Amino acid sequence: TQLLEQSPQFLSIQEGENLTVYCNSSSVFSSLQWYRQEPGEGPVLLVTVVTGGEVKKLKRLTFQFGDARKDSSLHITAAQPGDTGLYLCAGAQTSGTYKYIFGTGTRLKVLA
Amino acid sequence: DAGVIQSPRHEVTEMGQEVTLRCKPISGHDYLFWYRQTMMRGLELLIYFNNNVPIDDSGMPEDRFSAKMPNASFSTLKIQPSEPRDSAVYFCASSLDRFHSSYNEQFFGPGTRLTVL
Repeated sequence: TQLLEQSPQFLSIQEGENLTVYCNSSSVFSSLQWYRQEPGEGPVLLVTVVTGGEVKKLKRLTFQFGDARKDSSLHITAAQPGDTGLYLCAGAQTSGTYKYIFGTGTRLKVLA
Repeated sequence: DAGVIQSPRHEVTEMGQEVTLRCKPISGHDYLFWYRQTMMRGLELLIYFNNNVPIDDSGMPEDRFSAKMPNASFSTLKIQPSEPRDSAVYFCASSLDRFHSSYNEQFFGPGTRLTVL
């Protein structure tokens, strides 16, 4: 089974600061997704990256897929309290049945 | 569309009791997924269906767990008998038939928080 490790596990920062969350694996994924989950709700898709080295921007969020398609990062510029939540990466495994393996998660809290 | 609907939202039961979780996927979605989320293990895929047929149930913990999808608009996840270690949030998600394409999306329900005493 392919595994995805996220770091850091927990992050508490002040409003306006920048941060980066990492998603790493020793396995190759055909695509990778980032989700955000708020308390009491299910995860919501933020972005999908497919090509090695691909960079996507969503307002203040920048997502990058590693060249070897084994890792990804999420960078938030000028974090806001509304960014608070659990960030999950999910990789589409390349062996066996097609499915997404979810990472261990990064719990972010942005203080006003 | 109302999105993925799950019921109940909260369930508290005693060890040994049968628990049934219910899910209504988004109309027109051909894929349905059941996940379990805990602090220790994160979000784990239990089973998924395509056109009501189970495709991968390798994540189902043991024989105490079973899932059915009798039609395109309804699925159940049953635990019998339940144990305290089954306590978790159970999510149902659905996806369009392009799930196997790169730009797919899973739409998650609000989850059922299960507590087994």
